[in-house]
Amino acid sequence: DTAVSQTPKYLVTQMGNDKSIKCEQNLGHDTMYWYKQDSKKFLKIMFSYNNKELIINETVPNRFSPKSPDKAHLNLHINSLELGDSAVYFCASSQVGQRNTEAFFGQGTRLTVV
Amino acid sequence: DQQVKQNSPSLSVQEGRISILNCDYTNSMFDYFLWYKKYPAEGPTFLISISSIKDKNEDGRFTVFLNKSAKHLSLHIVPSQPGDSAVYFCAATWSSGTYKYIFGTGTRLKVLA
Repeated sequence: DTAVSQTPKYLVTQMGNDKSIKCEQNLGHDTMYWYKQDSKKFLKIMFSYNNKELIINETVPNRFSPKSPDKAHLNLHINSLELGDSAVYFCASSQVGQRNTEAFFGQGTRLTVV
Repeated sequence: DQQVKQNSPSLSVQEGRISILNCDYTNSMFDYFLWYKKYPAEGPTFLISISSIKDKNEDGRFTVFLNKSAKHLSLHIVPSQPGDSAVYFCAATWSSGTYKYIFGTGTRLKVLA
């Protein structure tokens, strides 16, 4: 039973299209994240949501719009895709509280824009 | 501004020997540090962590050491096994409420049989 699952695993699309990536966690965590791993393999935070509320937007272009319908889901919609958006996108979740804990990651979505 | 750095992009170690992966950080506000392991086409998986109030944490073959004055942490794997071959990321965060983990650039470990 996968803790953090994201779909699709691979996504190939043309420039200018709009696409969505879905993420669900069954860990009961209150915080979810989107990370981007670019061609240089940096893992960079894009967004974090706590209890469905946007907490961090790390200077991401507004073509990227996350949506959290409930605590267990955080979807990422990308408008007008550009070549530079090609990367692996990881969803993650954690329980933010008194005690520090680790984040759990999904398997990633490899987005290729052609 | 890379707040968490892993200066060795790769490391090769003979099976059975010790692997030592290093990580440096610049932000003195970090108080919780983590190591993740990543296989190709998979997400990072949590390995071990350490709070800034400790200088060592051990879990089986994995030990993390933290030197706060040097802003340095290391991961020791003893003995190394071929299945340990992966990319290792260190990460750091603040106390509760930070809502993000800052990752290093990763070190690719290859354990030779």
